[in-house]
Amino acid sequence: QITLKESGPTLVKSTQTLTLTCTFSGFSLSTSGVGVGWVRQPPGKALEWLAFIYWNDAKRYSPSLKSRLTITKDTPRNQVVLTMTNMDPVDTATYYCTHLDDGPYDHWGQGTLVTVSS
Amino acid sequence: DIQMTQSPSTLSASIGDRVTITCRASQSISSWLAWYQQKPGKAPKLLIYKASALESGVPSRFSGSGSGTVFTLTISSLQPDDFATYYCQQYYSLWTFGQGTEVEIK
Repeated sequence: QITLKESGPTLVKSTQTLTLTCTFSGFSLSTSGVGVGWVRQPPGKALEWLAFIYWNDAKRYSPSLKSRLTITKDTPRNQVVLTMTNMDPVDTATYYCTHLDDGPYDHWGQGTLVTVSS
Repeated sequence: DIQMTQSPSTLSASIGDRVTITCRASQSISSWLAWYQQKPGKAPKLLIYKASALESGVPSRFSGSGSGTVFTLTISSLQPDDFATYYCQQYYSLWTFGQGTEVEIK
């Protein structure tokens, strides 16, 4: 059974750096074709893809946010970390981590709401 | 970047209605399209992948079709549990979501 859970601060201030951790179970990030991604959703708005990391450490970033994002993995600890720099109130959103196995996002974490104060 | 446009943004329907949501891609994405259902306060749930493949455990009243740039999600007979927001997502080149379609009670 695949599970993912996001953790990190619920409140950050403008200009600060956000660090979120996705801790997962039920799969290994050393398996070919597997990856973990991050998606966010501002309150009442649509889903937005942010970043993705594959089993082979290949990384992909949203072109519009690429300069602010870094995604890394810790395979033995079954964790993926997302950092986003220079946070702004418009970055207030629920942040989800997701699993992919050679296809779409088939498993999602419960999400974590991050509020950015000015 | 590939843009995804859903229509309508909101859909009012009754129990038992046949419901169709359309998703258009700004360029051809072959069949690399997924549909998700999201209920308030919950994470999205995968319904359809590769445009028409039904995810395990998803009721057969859900179906997907299309290829290239135009895709549809159809619910053959709307049930109470189906009132939610639906998103399409392309995974041909990176990942992009549509803006969502809210299916509400008429």
